[in-house]
Amino acid sequence: NAGVTQTPKFQVLKTGQSMTLQCAQDMNHNSMYWYRQDPGMGLRLIYYSASEGTTDKGEVPNGYNVSRLNKREFSLRLESAAPSQTSVYFCASNIPGQGNYGYTFGSGTRLTVV
Amino acid sequence: AQSVTQLDSQVPVFEEAPVELRCNYSSSVSVYLFWYVQYPNQGLQLLLKYLSGSTLVKGINGFEAEFNKSQTSFHLRKPSVHISDTAEYFCAVLDPSNFGNEKLTFGTGTRLTIIP
Repeated sequence: NAGVTQTPKFQVLKTGQSMTLQCAQDMNHNSMYWYRQDPGMGLRLIYYSASEGTTDKGEVPNGYNVSRLNKREFSLRLESAAPSQTSVYFCASNIPGQGNYGYTFGSGTRLTVV
Repeated sequence: AQSVTQLDSQVPVFEEAPVELRCNYSSSVSVYLFWYVQYPNQGLQLLLKYLSGSTLVKGINGFEAEFNKSQTSFHLRKPSVHISDTAEYFCAVLDPSNFGNEKLTFGTGTRLTIIP
């Protein structure tokens, strides 16, 4: 069982460069999420997709865009990277409303913007 | 909106000693509560969750947590810690009434360090 797969695992960008973080899940989950993790701040929600075809902003959406390509894939794009976006990014998925409510997390993408 | 407060950013504990990691939440509605663990350079793994029923919840690796509605707390405990428990622990809350748009809100985390 692969669960939630994130690529790449590590990335270094120069300020102003763009990149897309990929996330795919094979559990037939409806909802998918992108979080960023920063020291002392826990995990903060960037964007989420409650179901295929829908996306919504979370707590810290500025500087990011997302695409729910299909039920399996949810990508996060940085159009013009800034040092403040240096962080560890986690993708997660779940099936809402089914009493489990246990998110499954990917292993993360460690992004450094120089 | 919900919020979660983890009062201790770092907790050092001697091996085989008990530990309690504190978590308080703020919400105007009934919520579900979770504890996640993150081992170094890994993703988050669910330790335990409280949805309803018994206020004492048991999870993996010998951890347990007690939901206290009057004190809006969900503290995590283990009677005897091991070196392998060294990790960061996150408390999280979810509003189940927002059906179809349930989102986890995390605390800032507590780094547990086990001293040999």
